[in-house]
Amino acid sequence: AQKVTQAQTEISVVEKEDVTLDCVYETRDTTYYLFWYKQPPSGELVFLIRRNSFDEQNEISGRYSWNFQKSTSSFNFTITASQVVDSAVYFCALSEIADNFNKFYFGSGTKLNVKP
Amino acid sequence: GAVVSQHPSRVICKSGTSVKIECRSLDFQATTMFWYRQFPKQSLMLMATSNEGSKATYEQGVEKDKFLINHASLTLSTLTVTSAHPEDSSFYICSALGRGPGYTFGSGTRLTVV
Repeated sequence: AQKVTQAQTEISVVEKEDVTLDCVYETRDTTYYLFWYKQPPSGELVFLIRRNSFDEQNEISGRYSWNFQKSTSSFNFTITASQVVDSAVYFCALSEIADNFNKFYFGSGTKLNVKP
Repeated sequence: GAVVSQHPSRVICKSGTSVKIECRSLDFQATTMFWYRQFPKQSLMLMATSNEGSKATYEQGVEKDKFLINHASLTLSTLTVTSAHPEDSSFYICSALGRGPGYTFGSGTRLTVV
């Protein structure tokens, strides 16, 4: 079974629109980490955030914000006032204490197209 | 911050030849390194985990004789794709775990086998 589900394959928005990327995860562990990475066309993975399972506080970093809800096993990512440079594939990932946090389970990614 | 250098960024090789990809942690010691593969428009899948000085642990379905991993030092791991075939064409990316900085990903290697 898929541990991390990103149901949105591709999203297109116009610049300055807000956009939310969904991430739903599945784990039996009570201790785990959740991540978001950005992969621009060049291919490298850019770390955006890491959240541990005991910290449900939502986080805001500039135009980025994250909503972690354990009750629904979701860790959604919102970009406010999107820009063309935000165009990329975004991956949500999970690591569990069962694997010593060594193994990343990546979602299938959401491709975000921001049009001028 | 922690930096992982991966080289080469792109490589084209002929079918049947071998290709070596290097992953170096530049400013920290990486006790463990990980190799992932990403097929076009797909997610990243873990291939193997390597610990310095010991044999790599391969994920189910990954041929260890085809994908040779060497982690000879705390700053260098190599992935050699042996007898490459067109179906091995993919984006390979490494990540390194150090005591301090957590996980850092390399910039990836795009392999094309013709």
